[in-house]
Amino acid sequence: DSGVTQTPKHLITATGQRVTLRCSPRSGDLSVYWYQQSLDQGLQFLIQYYNGEERAKGNILERFSAQQFPDLHSELNLSSLELGDSALYFCASSVVRASEQFFGPGTRLTVL
Amino acid sequence: SQELEQSPQSLIVQEGKNLTINCTSSKTLYGLYWYKQKYGEGLIFLMMLQKGGEEKSHEKITAKLDEKKQQSSLHITASQPSHAGIYLCGADGDSNYQLIWGAGTKLIIKP
Repeated sequence: DSGVTQTPKHLITATGQRVTLRCSPRSGDLSVYWYQQSLDQGLQFLIQYYNGEERAKGNILERFSAQQFPDLHSELNLSSLELGDSALYFCASSVVRASEQFFGPGTRLTVL
Repeated sequence: SQELEQSPQSLIVQEGKNLTINCTSSKTLYGLYWYKQKYGEGLIFLMMLQKGGEEKSHEKITAKLDEKKQQSSLHITASQPSHAGIYLCGADGDSNYQLIWGAGTKLIIKP
């Protein structure tokens, strides 16, 4: 158990819908990272927050947004969902630097 | 931008045999991380290498960073079914806040 929790574990929804994925980092970790993993794209970095502020952006679509709250939990919002958004979404946390990220179990999103 | 190439993409090994997975960077590596992922689960941190020539071991897994710091290898000795999974390497990217990832190597252990 990494100490990072993600909910829900599975999510099935329809195209055009909006969903919110939630992540609670390890106790004491200030950085939260969101990743998308699909069979054809591999692990793709989406966005990172540090202590409530956005620090780095990767391959995140404009339809996706995220935020980190004062209690350090984070949410990833995916809107106008498309079939191609079906993937595993991981959250990871670390104390400060990018190294030694601790990953949550992931949320499997299926868009029908 | 920096890229990481892993080889092989997949590997089927008889239980008990040794194997090696490579991770090659397009730029000098200042931090190289190995993670393991079981299918459909989160990534588990294995090791971090920072110095050229550095070598670390954990149980039957050894990782090395070459002197020029552009390639790392992960070696598993006497493979077991528990070693099966996807191995990913990550490296400090241009930003201090994110890692660059290899595409992963899928390891299957045949009993």
